[in-house]
Amino acid sequence: NAGVTQTPKFRVLKTGQSMTLLCAQDMNHEYMYWYRQDPGMGLRLIHYSVGEGTTAKGEVPDGYNVSRLKKQNFLLGLESAAPSQTSVYFCASSSGVGYTFGSGTRLTVV
Amino acid sequence: KQEVTQIPAALSVPEGENLVLNCSFTDSAIYNLQWFRQDPGKGLTSLLLIQSSQREQTSGRLNASLDKSSGRSTLYIAASQPGDSATYLCAVAGSNYKLTFGKGTLLTVNP
Repeated sequence: NAGVTQTPKFRVLKTGQSMTLLCAQDMNHEYMYWYRQDPGMGLRLIHYSVGEGTTAKGEVPDGYNVSRLKKQNFLLGLESAAPSQTSVYFCASSSGVGYTFGSGTRLTVV
Repeated sequence: KQEVTQIPAALSVPEGENLVLNCSFTDSAIYNLQWFRQDPGKGLTSLLLIQSSQREQTSGRLNASLDKSSGRSTLYIAASQPGDSATYLCAVAGSNYKLTFGKGTLLTVNP
C-alpha cells in the first residue's frame, strides 16, 4: 500500500546542475501531476500527464521537463537548476475521482 | 483562469470551539472540490472530496459543503481539538482533473 512514492526526499543542487525527481504510483492511476509549493504562493501545477506516453504543461512549466514512459512513473527533470527553483515538489496521481499525494521533495538550489 | 481564495488566512481558536473555513472559486465549471490538511513540513492529507453534483460530504467531525453556482465551499469543524492544528487547503478540479489550490488557512487550536 505504498501509494505515491517520491525520491529523493531532500536534495541540494548548485546553480547549473541537473537532476531528476522520480514519482512512482502503484494504484494504476491514469493521471499524474507535478506541483511546486512556495511560501505565499501555494501549490502550483508544473506539468501533468493524462496517461502513459503523454505530458502537458501546467501553470509554471519553464525550466522543467517531464516524461511518462511507464504508466506508474512520472519523472520531473531540471536541466540547469536556478535558485528560483528552490521549492518543495509534490507529485500526485488520480483516477479522476480521488487524489493521492507523495510526501514531497525539498530541493534547495544554491 | 481559475482562482481559488481561502478566508481567513489564519485562525486561532480555543479548544472545543466549532469553526468554519471558507473557500471561493471563480469558475464554476469544476469536476470536484477537495479539502486537504497539511502539517508543517509534511505532505497533503485528503480530508473530503465533493463531486460537482453533490452538495456536501461528512467525515467524523468534518463537514464540507459545495455551492457550485455561487463558487463557494465551507469546511465545518466541530468541537475543535489541538490535534486539528494544521494548514487546510481547498482545491478545485478542472479539465483533466487538474487541481487549482487556494493558499490555505492556518488553523491553531489552543488547549
